[in-house]
Amino acid sequence: GQQVMQIPQYQHVQEGEDFTTYCNSSTTLSNIQWYKQRPGGHPVFLIQLVKSGEVKKQKRLTFQFGEAKKNSSLHITATQTTDVGTYFCAGRNAGRDDKIIFGKGTRLHILP
Amino acid sequence: GAGVSQSPSNKVTEKGKDVELRCDPISGHTALYWYRQRLGQGLEFLIYFQGNSAPDKSGLPSDRFSAERTGESVSTLTIQRTQQEDSAVYLCASSLGQGTISYNEQFFGPGTRLTVL
Repeated sequence: GQQVMQIPQYQHVQEGEDFTTYCNSSTTLSNIQWYKQRPGGHPVFLIQLVKSGEVKKQKRLTFQFGEAKKNSSLHITATQTTDVGTYFCAGRNAGRDDKIIFGKGTRLHILP
Repeated sequence: GAGVSQSPSNKVTEKGKDVELRCDPISGHTALYWYRQRLGQGLEFLIYFQGNSAPDKSGLPSDRFSAERTGESVSTLTIQRTQQEDSAVYLCASSLGQGTISYNEQFFGPGTRLTVL
């Protein structure tokens, strides 16, 4: 079955350093979504990427969708304490049903 | 409110008892998902409803778990003969679902924290 793998599982960075999390699918995706879950909260949608090679930016966050539509990344520039949380990618199989499969998430911890 | 709601917010039960968790999706959302999240872990897919199609039950961990959905509205997740390993936060999410444009954000409810003693 479809698998969505996310690395790293945990990341500790000094405040001000950059952070990247990677997402890889075993199958081609029609689109990929990213979510953020703050400690004690529920996942909240950040963005969706649809096109091959697509790059989108939200302030200090840069999202990329691979050319083959099987991988994606989220890069945060100059992390801040407000970036703390777990970042999940979620991919939908191309040509299949609407089910979205989540990665295990990357937990980001910021060291002051 | 216009968001996804879940009840109860917290449930403490004894091992062996049955529990029923409820999810009210956003009105008009045809897709509904149930996930389980153990402490500090990722989202574990349980079941997916899309309109009137047969639900995708491939994530249910055992036959003690079942879920129903009435049309495109409320869903209930039932866990029979609860075990301690069932302790987790159970999250429900809804989205506009199949047939819509590709923008298909999932809106999550606050979750039900289940503790099995």
